[in-house]
Amino acid sequence: EIVLTQSPGTLSLSPGERATVSCRASQTVSSRYVAWYQQKPGQAPRLLIYGASSRAAGIPDRFSGSGSGTDFTLTISRLESEDFAVYYCQQYGPSVSFGPGTKVDV
Amino acid sequence: QVQLVESGGGVVQPGRSLRLSCAASGFTFSPYGMHWVRQAPGKGPEWVAIISNDGSVENYAESVKGRFTISRDNSKNRLYLQMDSLRADDTAVYYCAKDRGRGVVTAAKDVWGQGTAVIVSS
Repeated sequence: EIVLTQSPGTLSLSPGERATVSCRASQTVSSRYVAWYQQKPGQAPRLLIYGASSRAAGIPDRFSGSGSGTDFTLTISRLESEDFAVYYCQQYGPSVSFGPGTKVDV
Repeated sequence: QVQLVESGGGVVQPGRSLRLSCAASGFTFSPYGMHWVRQAPGKGPEWVAIISNDGSVENYAESVKGRFTISRDNSKNRLYLQMDSLRADDTAVYYCAKDRGRGVVTAAKDVWGQGTAVIVSS
């Protein structure tokens, strides 16, 4: 089973700043099967990025994803107030696993 | 609008069974793989199971293999999760989620339900 680790665990930033969240896999993952989600309290996760770098429908272009092999990154170029949330990476191959999450707070 | 609505959660004793259901609407259900994902209180999401668009392929997390069964009825636009031999550590909110891949599994889940809570307790 592929294990995902995320860093940092918590990111304390202000609106307008850049957020960078890292996700590392315990073995090589196909970029095709890497996704990022945002979750706010009391809500289901929301798909942001799929295929490591493609934005899901309706996701603002301040969100971007990159990476390959074992290292992947989610970047929020300029934080808006609604972006303060927990972010999870996820991989598929052959089972699905999520990272432990990164909380982006003020 | 595109919607997934789960039902069937509740309080159940350890060792007992429960069947969750997920009703899909607002999109064509049959071309898409479907997932169950759970989230224990204060924890991150944990993938539980996936079923292919035609129901021919299933895959499970190790933690539920042999106890849970995923199934679907494309004529009714419904997804199911049969949970047997429930344990305390199965306590979680259970979400059904749609795979964004049409005819192919990508595991990127672009539509989620609101979740149904399962509490396993004596």
